[in-house]
Amino acid sequence: QVHLQESGPGLVRPSETLSLTCTVSGGSVRSDGFYWGWVRQPPGEGLEWLGYMSYNRGGNSNPSLQSRLTVSIDTSKNLFSLRLISVTAADTAIYYCVRQPLIAETSGWFDSWGQGALVTVSS
Amino acid sequence: DIVLTQSPGTLSLSPGERATLSCRASRTLFRNYLAWYQQRPGQAPRLLIYGASNRATGIPDRFSGSGSGTDFTLTISRLEPEDFALYYCQQYGSSIIYTFGQGTKLEI
Repeated sequence: QVHLQESGPGLVRPSETLSLTCTVSGGSVRSDGFYWGWVRQPPGEGLEWLGYMSYNRGGNSNPSLQSRLTVSIDTSKNLFSLRLISVTAADTAIYYCVRQPLIAETSGWFDSWGQGALVTVSS
Repeated sequence: DIVLTQSPGTLSLSPGERATLSCRASRTLFRNYLAWYQQRPGQAPRLLIYGASNRATGIPDRFSGSGSGTDFTLTISRLEPEDFALYYCQQYGSSIIYTFGQGTKLEI
């Protein structure tokens, strides 16, 4: 059974870069059957999809964040990462890494989630 | 963007009762690409249903999903104490952006 674990700083200053890593165990980021991505949830609020990436099929990201967001995969370490530049207080949220199955060219739901990492943007 | 509207906002029921949660999309979802998630306090969401009606691995059969087009339903046939939680629907019919509903709180 796959396990996802987020790691990274819990506090980021405004205008700086938020970077998180998701370590995958019990599975491989090189699998052709999955995308790997991120979802966030501001405290006490709803869920927002951020983006996903595959090691060989490219990816996609939320148009509202596209210019600031990068999702990348490191196959040598079996992990994937999130990078969000020029953060503001509105980026304060719990960030979840997720696995997104790809079945018969169909994808879009998230079948495994990390426990979440709270990132606060504040000076 | 496709907007998902969940109703009711809060649903108050008792263990053993049947729960019916609604999710309405602002336009028809391609191939009924809709998922449901459960989120308990302090936990990550958990996938319940994908493709509108397919139960995820390990999900009890008291959970079922139905619907098509713009109107979708999550039904919990007999509520167990652990089912009282937040529920979100999510559409992936748009290849441009995935969106979530605002959630329904199921409370005792």
